[in-house]
Amino acid sequence: GESVGLHLPTLSVQEGDNSIINCAYSNSASDYFIWYKQESGKGPQFIIDIRSNMDKRQGQRVTVLLNKTVKHLSLQIAATQPGDSAVYFCAENGGSSYKLIFGSGTRLLVRP
Amino acid sequence: DAGVIQSPRHEVTEMGQEVTLRCKPISGHDYLFWYRQTMMRGLELLIYFNNNVPIDDSGMPEDRFSAKMPNASFSTLKIQPSEPRDSAVYFCASSPRQETQYFGPGTRLLVL
Repeated sequence: GESVGLHLPTLSVQEGDNSIINCAYSNSASDYFIWYKQESGKGPQFIIDIRSNMDKRQGQRVTVLLNKTVKHLSLQIAATQPGDSAVYFCAENGGSSYKLIFGSGTRLLVRP
Repeated sequence: DAGVIQSPRHEVTEMGQEVTLRCKPISGHDYLFWYRQTMMRGLELLIYFNNNVPIDDSGMPEDRFSAKMPNASFSTLKIQPSEPRDSAVYFCASSPRQETQYFGPGTRLLVL
């Protein structure tokens, strides 16, 4: 059959607005989650992480929320800036301490 | 800290040639990971090392791929012979513990 390329969902926001990027994870055994930002031509950059004994963690302009009941993770970016434009990946550890399982990513576009 | 260093940053080669990608992890990090990123398959873990020992190479696609870590500050990923379908961005990442991984800038490989 014909192969289909990876289609990234895209979130477009106005500069200054808040952004929310969502991620559904697959493994109920996962107890560690992490968000990465990847700008064009660069490697993934660590943003923030959270363990399963927490449901919220805040960083500088970013907040990660974890809902273990529905296996959902979200990244909130406050006052989105043009420099926030990138692809954002969530990752889970699948209950293992050694490997991360990456999602397919969401592209964030910030409109000036 | 300089972060994870990868070389070369770009590589163009002809089918059948040997390709060697290099990585210097962040000093003090005990874990080293090699990933491949393509539009079709996203970010795939190829192999990872703990204290210079390969732990899981289940992601290595074929016998044409091999990886070594002769010491704590250097690792190589070799493809011999290379094929056009190996064209991708190859990332190296290192970790001070078992979960949070820090990525290098990647090597963009094009096999003609």
